[in-house]
Amino acid sequence: NAGVTQTPKFQVLKTGQSMTLQCAQDMNHEYMSWYRQDPGMGLRLIHYSVGAGITDQGEVPNGYNVSRSTTEDFPLRLLSAAPSQTSVYFCASTRAGGARGGHTDTQYFGPGTRLTVL
Amino acid sequence: GEDVEQSLFLSVREGDSSVINCTYTDSSSTYLYWYKQEPGAGLQLLTYIFSNMDMKQDQRLTVLLNKKDKHLSLRIADTQTGDSAIYFCAEDSLSGGYNKLIFGAGTRLAVHP
Repeated sequence: NAGVTQTPKFQVLKTGQSMTLQCAQDMNHEYMSWYRQDPGMGLRLIHYSVGAGITDQGEVPNGYNVSRSTTEDFPLRLLSAAPSQTSVYFCASTRAGGARGGHTDTQYFGPGTRLTVL
Repeated sequence: GEDVEQSLFLSVREGDSSVINCTYTDSSSTYLYWYKQEPGAGLQLLTYIFSNMDMKQDQRLTVLLNKKDKHLSLRIADTQTGDSAIYFCAEDSLSGGYNKLIFGAGTRLAVHP
């Protein structure tokens, strides 16, 4: 198993450009999520998906779109990049994302994408 | 609302014990977690504790949970240079029928000889 993979590892954008961060997992996990990590702020949830065709907003969704057409892939789109979106982005997946009582499967994190917006 | 707080830095000497503390707000959290992030890498689950437990031991790691005070700690015995990393505390939180993880800002552990 490759686990959770993310591409690219590094990206530099100009303000106003759009791009898609790719995330894929080969563990047949239902639940996938995107986080951004900023210094001194931990990880903040951007969007998540509990299965193919189902997505929902997290804590900081503005400026980002997601879709989940397959179980394996969960791309994150930046519509019009802004300097405030400079961050490290992590994708994660877990088998059990449903009702309480089953989080011991935990979330598997990808290696991250370091994005700089100039 | 949900919030998880941790101190940002901890420095220890190699061989000593490290104790990383965390407070959380969601009293209905079922599980509480400790994740480790090494430089340039994603997060890896280190250990977790079920909310009806007070303590969990796993080799050099001891997790203590004080549910009344909503306080969680991670003790690393005989700390090694390889333990240098950022440690994140996280609680699970039910929202819209689905579990989400709420992370603290992370504690950077520096181990020096």
